[in-house]
Amino acid sequence: EIVLTQSPDFQSVTPKEKVTITCRASQSIGSSLHWYQQKPDQSPKLLIKYASQSISGVPSRFSGSGSGTDFTLTINSLEAEDAATYYCHQSSSLPITFGQGTRLEIK
Amino acid sequence: QVTLKESGPALVKPTQTLTLTCTFSGFSLTTSGMRVSWIRQPPGKALEWLARIDWDDDKFYSISLKSRLTISKDTSKNQVVLTMTNMDPVDTATYYCARSMTSTNWFDPWGQGTLVTVSS
Repeated sequence: EIVLTQSPDFQSVTPKEKVTITCRASQSIGSSLHWYQQKPDQSPKLLIKYASQSISGVPSRFSGSGSGTDFTLTINSLEAEDAATYYCHQSSSLPITFGQGTRLEIK
Repeated sequence: QVTLKESGPALVKPTQTLTLTCTFSGFSLTTSGMRVSWIRQPPGKALEWLARIDWDDDKFYSISLKSRLTISKDTSKNQVVLTMTNMDPVDTATYYCARSMTSTNWFDPWGQGTLVTVSS
């Protein structure tokens, strides 16, 4: 089973700050890494597909990068509405796995 | 527009069997490449993938829960059913179903989720 480890677990940030969340895979997964945003009491929402591909309707301040074992989700110029928990997900091999999540708090 | 919605009991007793139904619209599980997964999330915790069924009736399960899970589909009703046996309080979670495809492999969209509490 591929283990995904996110860092940090929690971050408190101010609006307009730039945020970087990392996701490290226990073995190479190519670009088969996707990012989701989950706001309180909501279902997860797809943010980035295949490590760096944007999703229609998702604000351009969200971007992704990486391949192999190390991946990054970047939020430029954070907004209050970005308060949420962010998860990475690998689809390289079964069983499907998720990272433990990174909770962002807006100061 | 693709939508999915989970349904099932809100409360089950320990040792009972849980049966959850995912009713979807906007796609068919008879279409090549379509997949539906079940994913759960205990309160305040991370997402955990449970099982997947594909358009060709292939089925895949979480390694740790494989012995307790059964996934099936009813294409005439556009439904996917998950059963989990021998429920325990640690299985208390919100259970989601979500679509993926062989050509994409990400989960989009997700259902709204259904909270299942295991308690006597």
